[in-house]
Amino acid sequence: KAGVTQTPRYLIKTRGQQVTLSCSPISGHRSVSWYQQTPGQGLQFLFEYFSETQRNKGNFPGRFSGRQFSNSRSEMNVSTLELGDSALYLCASSLPGTGYEQYFGPGTRLTVT
Amino acid sequence: GIQVEQSPPDLILQEGANSTLRCNFSDSVNNLQWFHQNPWGQLINLFYIPSGTKQNGRLSATTVATERYSLLYISSSQTTDSGVYFCAVLAGDYKLSFGAGTTVTVRA
Repeated sequence: KAGVTQTPRYLIKTRGQQVTLSCSPISGHRSVSWYQQTPGQGLQFLFEYFSETQRNKGNFPGRFSGRQFSNSRSEMNVSTLELGDSALYLCASSLPGTGYEQYFGPGTRLTVT
Repeated sequence: GIQVEQSPPDLILQEGANSTLRCNFSDSVNNLQWFHQNPWGQLINLFYIPSGTKQNGRLSATTVATERYSLLYISSSQTTDSGVYFCAVLAGDYKLSFGAGTTVTVRA
């Protein structure tokens, strides 16, 4: 079974631009979560989706948004990029009924210049 | 929110040595996972262990949920064990809360 996939793997953007990251979960997994990893703040939760509904959101500004499609694929969008948004963005999927054991994708490394 | 503390922050080992990493958490949890982050940044699942003891090769883990801690044991360490180990817990709100990680360096 294929793992979680994320595209693109690397991205360089300029301050003020917007970016969209994509995540495809493991087949059959309907919960998708997003996390941001920075050297200063560590791994922080962004949001979680299940059946196209956002069930929880972390403490991030409204510039960070996401959505989930009917096939469970998910996208996150960051508008008006700031230098501090440079980070590794990780997506995870899980199968309900398994204690929400989460499996992570390889991440998208975003650099804002 | 739930607090997760990992110790030690850094660990330097000679190849072949054994070690113990600790994770303390501040509240009851539904899920506890241990991960190893590879050099490219991907989090590799080591254990899903909300309670009890599990073993996988040279790695084993124990979670004592009533006392709110988990231990990860690395035996006969190898250079490929180097990297950052994370403990993460889920407390019923669909999000994993991560510790700051333990950076393990295994020297040949």
